[in-house]
Amino acid sequence: NAGVTQTPKFRVLKTGQSMTLLCAQDMNHEYMYWYRQDPGMGLRLIHYSVGEGTTAKGEVPDGYNVSRLKKQNFLLGLESAAPSQTSVYFCASKDGLFGGEQPQHFGDGTRLSIL
Amino acid sequence: SQKIEQNSEALNIQEGKTATLTCNYTNYSPAYLQWYRQDPGRGPVFLLLIRENEKEKRKERLKVTFDTTLKQSLFHITASQPADSATYLCALEGSSNTGKLIFGQGTTLQVKP
Repeated sequence: NAGVTQTPKFRVLKTGQSMTLLCAQDMNHEYMYWYRQDPGMGLRLIHYSVGEGTTAKGEVPDGYNVSRLKKQNFLLGLESAAPSQTSVYFCASKDGLFGGEQPQHFGDGTRLSIL
Repeated sequence: SQKIEQNSEALNIQEGKTATLTCNYTNYSPAYLQWYRQDPGRGPVFLLLIRENEKEKRKERLKVTFDTTLKQSLFHITASQPADSATYLCALEGSSNTGKLIFGQGTTLQVKP
């Protein structure tokens, strides 16, 4: 039981390049989330999904796209990377069966640098 | 706008003492408040959840209080140990059933032997 797995763990991109971050969970959770964490800023929600085939914008969605084609996977895409997107990206999942009384389970992050 | 504030300065305490971390919020009425622990290079790990109608919750050496009038939560670690050294994050959740959390920036705790 791996929990939440993020791929890759590290990546360096040049400005303008594109890439996709993959999040996979094996807990059969309905809800999935993508956050970015910057020094002194805390975790900020980029996009989220409340079920397979659904996505919604979070607090800082600009420059990112997401897809949830399969329940266990949540993909985060950067179409044209910018230095401001240098950050640590975390994926999380949550059981949707019991409403708000469930915690989020996090992966160990992807460290992304945009040069 | 919604805002959560945690002590930005690191908290340094001696082993065996009680650590108390503060989480204050404004412009929000959370249904739940959660505390997470984050170690360097790792993702946050859930510790405790407290509902808006609960005053206090305990789990082993951990205790959380929630005062919706003061808009404040206190997180206590009793008999602290060096292994408790980490960053602790406060997070608020509304009642929208999307599970979205708003996080504070975290407080770093250092427990010295």
